[in-house]
Amino acid sequence: DSGVTQTPKHLITATGQRVTLRCSPRSGDLSVYWYQQSLDQGLQFLIQYYNGEERAKGNILERFSAQQFPDLHSELNLSSLELGDSALYFCATSLAGSTDTQYFGPGTRLTVL
Amino acid sequence: AQSVAQPEDQVNVAEGNPLTVKCTYSVSGNPYLFWYVQYPNRGLQFLLKYITGDNLVKGSYGFEAEFNKSQTSFHLKKPSALVSDSALYFCAVRDNGGFKTIFGAGTRLFVKA
Repeated sequence: DSGVTQTPKHLITATGQRVTLRCSPRSGDLSVYWYQQSLDQGLQFLIQYYNGEERAKGNILERFSAQQFPDLHSELNLSSLELGDSALYFCATSLAGSTDTQYFGPGTRLTVL
Repeated sequence: AQSVAQPEDQVNVAEGNPLTVKCTYSVSGNPYLFWYVQYPNRGLQFLLKYITGDNLVKGSYGFEAEFNKSQTSFHLKKPSALVSDSALYFCAVRDNGGFKTIFGAGTRLFVKA
């Protein structure tokens, strides 16, 4: 158990809908990273937050957004969902810096029907 | 731009034999390199990392990796494979000036009894 929690574990929704995924970091971790894992695209970095501020952006669609709250938990919002958004969404957290190990949560499996 | 390549989709090895999972990378500055393992329906678990110093890095579960700057490689090795090592292995790279971590496509390791 990495100490990173993600909810919900599974999510099934329809095209066009909006969902929110939640991530709670390990105690003391200030950085949160979001990744999308799909069969054809592998593990794609979406976005990173550090202590409430956006730090780096990857291949995140404009329909997706994220934030990190004062208690350091993070939410990933996915809107106008399409079939192709079906994937595993992982968050990872680390202490702070770029040499720090990222610890991954168990993931949220999103299925868009 | 950073990139990481895992040239083998799959590696098959017999239990008790040594295993190698290959990784090559490209970054503009000095690399930070990581190996993670993913078991079915689980998040990624950290195995080891290279930041600086000794080129041979030892990690969890008897795994080690060798950083080779001239060949821009960071191959994962284990002297004697176990059936329980069967999983999906990811190499990742981050350059020391940035915040994005780029993951390879993953290599599936099968260890036969």
